[in-house]
Amino acid sequence: AQSVTQPDIHITVSEGASLELRCNYSYGATPYLFWYVQSPGQGLQLLLKYFSGDTLVQGIKGFEAEFKRSQSSFNLRKPSVHWSDAAEYFCAVGEVPGNTGKLIFGQGTTLQVKP
Amino acid sequence: DSGVTQTPKHLITATGQRVTLRCSPRSGDLSVYWYQQSLDQGLQFLIQYYNGEERAKGNILERFSAQQFPDLHSELNLSSLELGDSALYFCASSVDRESYGYTFGSGTRLTVV
Repeated sequence: AQSVTQPDIHITVSEGASLELRCNYSYGATPYLFWYVQSPGQGLQLLLKYFSGDTLVQGIKGFEAEFKRSQSSFNLRKPSVHWSDAAEYFCAVGEVPGNTGKLIFGQGTTLQVKP
Repeated sequence: DSGVTQTPKHLITATGQRVTLRCSPRSGDLSVYWYQQSLDQGLQFLIQYYNGEERAKGNILERFSAQQFPDLHSELNLSSLELGDSALYFCASSVDRESYGYTFGSGTRLTVV
């Protein structure tokens, strides 16, 4: 079965510093990969997605992610973090086969931003 | 505003009771997904409907059921509630039945006491 692992439960970075959130997946073929962000009391907002093609994906709010097949990873990055980026971040993989649209989520990484 | 509307936002009920959560998808979206978010299980897929038909089922308990109506809104019914059912329940919608990266509503927080 497919699975997603986010090794870091909690990360703290200083405002203006760079950020990298890790995500590893298990699936033999090329997966559909996603990053979502959840602010307190809010729903999940899609930051970016990867289906195929260029392995560096640009998303909203200045985020990007890189798909590395050899490492089964899809890490999320941002060059300079803003205080408003404090939230919980979820990596997800689209379930295949079947193409049901079902997403399998990691446990999430909580980002704290220090002033 | 994501365009996906969930009501109510908060719900407090007693064990053994039954509740109904409602979801209105974004205009034009035919597919609706339900997810449960709890501290111990994380985000878990419950069920998907596409244009009124059940399309996929996840780890949904037998005490839970859902349906999608002709106007495309969906309801998730939870019965014989237990303390462990306390969670945030999200609805999401997409245009077709195989879309990923869909739009989530802001959720219904259910507290069972």
